[in-house]
Amino acid sequence: NAGVTQTPKFQVLKTGQSMTLQCAQDMNHEYMSWYRQDPGMGLRLIHYSVGAGITDQGEVPNGYNVSRSTTEDFPLRLLSAAPSQTSVYFCASSYSSQGRYGYTFGSGTRLTVV
Amino acid sequence: SQQGEEDPQALSIQEGENATMNCSYKTSINNLQWYRQNSGRGLVHLILIRSNEREKHSGRLRVTLDTSKKSSSLLITASRAADTASYFCASKAAGNKLTFGGGTRVLVKP
Repeated sequence: NAGVTQTPKFQVLKTGQSMTLQCAQDMNHEYMSWYRQDPGMGLRLIHYSVGAGITDQGEVPNGYNVSRSTTEDFPLRLLSAAPSQTSVYFCASSYSSQGRYGYTFGSGTRLTVV
Repeated sequence: SQQGEEDPQALSIQEGENATMNCSYKTSINNLQWYRQNSGRGLVHLILIRSNEREKHSGRLRVTLDTSKKSSSLLITASRAADTASYFCASKAAGNKLTFGGGTRVLVKP
């Protein structure tokens, strides 16, 4: 099925560990982004990319790195996990980087940092 | 900070009734989008309204946009139990970022 695939669906990390959340889309979308969702906070933008090789910071980028070597993949790296990074992470993509179209979201990764 | 604020935060209605929720935003926008999120799932795009549009329909959904008041509303007519979800507005200003509000939780009771 076409769409945005996120792995893993669930993850528990210890403080200080690092990990990579995977995101892949098969719709040839130009734009990809990562959000975190916390209770009562809505979704906050972490990083985004307007095409392969181009990334930029969103609202809450600290503690996270991204890269986009291909159109399809946009992994999110947690460098040294902290309890404050406990959240649900969503990857989203869109046909246009100009925001003229709606976003397609993955099903999310629920991350707990202990 | 949130670009959009939604009101009410929660809404409980009977099946068949209409549900209305509102969204306010702070800066000039290119478009405003509405999304639905079922419990434990990702967000699903519902409708996009451009800044030069005032009203848009999609099935049982009606969205209005008032750029002078920096506000939008989403109306779900003849609600069904399957409409139970959280609804988010998201504003697209100049640039490449889509900014989400805090959402409205809608419960449709059978």
